[in-house]
Amino acid sequence: GENVEQHPSTLSVQEGDSAVIKCTYSDSASNYFPWYKQELGKGPQLIIDIRSNVGEKKDQRIAVTLNKTAKHFSLHITETQPEDSAVYFCALWRGGGNKLTFGTGTQLKVEL
Amino acid sequence: DAGITQSPRHKVTETGTPVTLRCHQTENHRYMYWYRQDPGHGLRLIHYSYGVKDTDKGEVSDGYSVSRSKTEDFLLTLESATSSQTSVYFCAISDTGRDTEAFFGQGTRLTVV
Repeated sequence: GENVEQHPSTLSVQEGDSAVIKCTYSDSASNYFPWYKQELGKGPQLIIDIRSNVGEKKDQRIAVTLNKTAKHFSLHITETQPEDSAVYFCALWRGGGNKLTFGTGTQLKVEL
Repeated sequence: DAGITQSPRHKVTETGTPVTLRCHQTENHRYMYWYRQDPGHGLRLIHYSYGVKDTDKGEVSDGYSVSRSKTEDFLLTLESATSSQTSVYFCAISDTGRDTEAFFGQGTRLTVV
């Protein structure tokens, strides 16, 4: 199947530092690369996404970069704040569509 | 927030009993999904639906069945619950079923004792 590998599984940073989470995939037909954030006790929520016709997208302190040749995409969070502490998931719609597959998640902890 | 309601939010049940979880949406989205979330495994797809009475298996479908008799409701049934099915279950919806945002419910925490 179209697996998505996500690293690291846990990430601890000091407030104000940057955090980077990376996902690699195998399905070359994938064209849409979302990132979800899950806060404690809640369902995942989309925070940013990128389509294959661009290499980078930014939204305030978060950005996503895509390298289709190498088949990986990354989430970058700058100037981290305590409210960024959460679990982050990358995801892919499988090549034929209909099934949204998730990475195994990254627990980000922003320490004061 | 997308109009997705999962019920119950918490349930404790005994091994061997049947359990049904409900997902109700008010967005009129065509696609509905059931995931389970376990430490170290992320979110794994159990079953999904692409229309009324149209369903398909995900990657961890053994021991689960689903039904969708109307657009707004998607039911997940554990015919005979086992301890390995202790998990947090999430329902999700999507308008197009690909290359777009999926919206998640708040989750149901199921414990099988």
